[in-house]
Amino acid sequence: AQKVTQAQTEISVVEKEDVTLDCVYETRDTTYYLFWYKQPPSGELVFLIRRNSFDEQNEISGRYSWNFQKSTSSFNFTITASQVVDSAVYFCALSESNQAGTALIFGKGTTLSVSS
Amino acid sequence: EAGVAQSPRYKIIEKRQSVAFWCNPISGHATLYWYQQILGQGPKLLIQFQNNGVVDDSQLPKDRFSAERLKGVDSTLKIQPAKLEDSAVYLCASSPNWASYEQYFGPGTRLTVT
Repeated sequence: AQKVTQAQTEISVVEKEDVTLDCVYETRDTTYYLFWYKQPPSGELVFLIRRNSFDEQNEISGRYSWNFQKSTSSFNFTITASQVVDSAVYFCALSESNQAGTALIFGKGTTLSVSS
Repeated sequence: EAGVAQSPRYKIIEKRQSVAFWCNPISGHATLYWYQQILGQGPKLLIQFQNNGVVDDSQLPKDRFSAERLKGVDSTLKIQPAKLEDSAVYLCASSPNWASYEQYFGPGTRLTVT
C-alpha cells in the first residue's frame, strides 16, 4: 500500500540555520510522483515541487533544495539559511499513476518553527 | 489568474445538523478534489471529479457525505447528519486535467461540530 512517513513531527531552529525535513515513502508502482507542499498559518496549501520517479536529479530553488533517492525511498527537503517566514507545516505527498485517480497521499506533516 | 475559491471559511454546527461547503475551481480546470484534513494530520482524499463525473470516491463516507459537480465547474460537498469526528478543515483543489499531477488548493473551510 502507498504510504508517506514524515518522522519529524516538530522542528525548531533559529534564523539562518539550515534545516532538513525528512520524507520516506512506500509504493509498489514504478511510476509515481512526489511532492512537497507548505501550509502556513493561513491554512492554504502552497505547492513547492513535484518530482517524477524517473528523475533522481537533485533540485535547488533559491534557499530550497530537494534530495530524491530511490534506493532509500526518500525525498528530503532542505531549507538553507532559514527565515521566520519559513515557519509553517510542510507536507510530503505521493501520487501514483496506476490508481483510479490522481489523488495525493500525504504524510502527517512536519511543523517548522523558525525563531529570530 | 484567480485561485480556488471556497466558502464559507468557517462553520460551527451541532452534531446531527447538516452542512454544505462550496468550491469554485480555477477557470478551465477539469479535475476537482475534496480533501479532509483533521487537526495534526495530512489531508485525505474524499472524492475526485473529472468534469462532472466521479473518478474516485472510495474514501467518502457515503452514509453521511455527498458531493456533486453538476455542470463540471463548481462543486458542493454536504454532510448530513454531522458527527463530532467530522470536525476538520475541508480543502478543495483543482487541476488542469486528470494527468497533470499538479493540484492547486483553496483556503479551506474549517468545520467545528459541537
